Amino acid sequence: SAVISQKPSRDICQRGTSLTIQCQVDSQVTMMFWYRQQPGQSLTLIATANQGSEATYESGFVIDKFPISRPNLTFSTLTVSNMSPEDSSIYLCSVDRTSGGFNRYNEQFFGPGTRLTVL
Amino acid sequence: SQQGEEDPQALSIQEGENATMNCSYKTSINNLQWYRQNSGRGLVHLILIRSNEREKHSGRLRVTLDTSKKSSSLLITASRAADTASYFCATDAGGKLIFGQGTELSVKP
Repeated sequence: SAVISQKPSRDICQRGTSLTIQCQVDSQVTMMFWYRQQPGQSLTLIATANQGSEATYESGFVIDKFPISRPNLTFSTLTVSNMSPEDSSIYLCSVDRTSGGFNRYNEQFFGPGTRLTVL
Repeated sequence: SQQGEEDPQALSIQEGENATMNCSYKTSINNLQWYRQNSGRGLVHLILIRSNEREKHSGRLRVTLDTSKKSSSLLITASRAADTASYFCATDAGGKLIFGQGTELSVKP
């Protein structure tokens, strides 16, 4: 498994401001993922962050709104820019680990999430 | 768009009963994973079943996969109040996980 921490765990922000969420992993990983979970909803993938390259964004998400940094193999940040109340969500980072020995497969492990409320 | 559809959306049972949740998906997958989320916190990985597997057990959990029907089920036997949580299936179709809408399970003591 992987131990993943996120900062902050929660925040209340004003409309129009930006918040940067940090994700730290206890070991080196190639890919890190950022998800959004709107109230009462499931998880939606925002983007995939590989170290040394630009993040790959899913449909409906753009770099200007959700810039991502991936400065090394254990750390990533997601910024929620120019926030509005619609951005109120839980934001989760995750990493995948190859398991299974001969029959390899990827498992994903999630951080505890950052609960964001935008007023 | 979400790949997985789960049913029921909500399930309420008594402690000791079994709980069954179902997940359907649309495209070919490498594997399917089940997660638990307690009250808006981070997700806990429960079990992974590969596309060439039909059934898998882990403690009180039993997962089945029917790739011909593109469906999976999660059975929790002898449920406990501590099993109260939201349960999500997620399909891996090439490194990215696509999550279902989730089943909210309530186990009453």
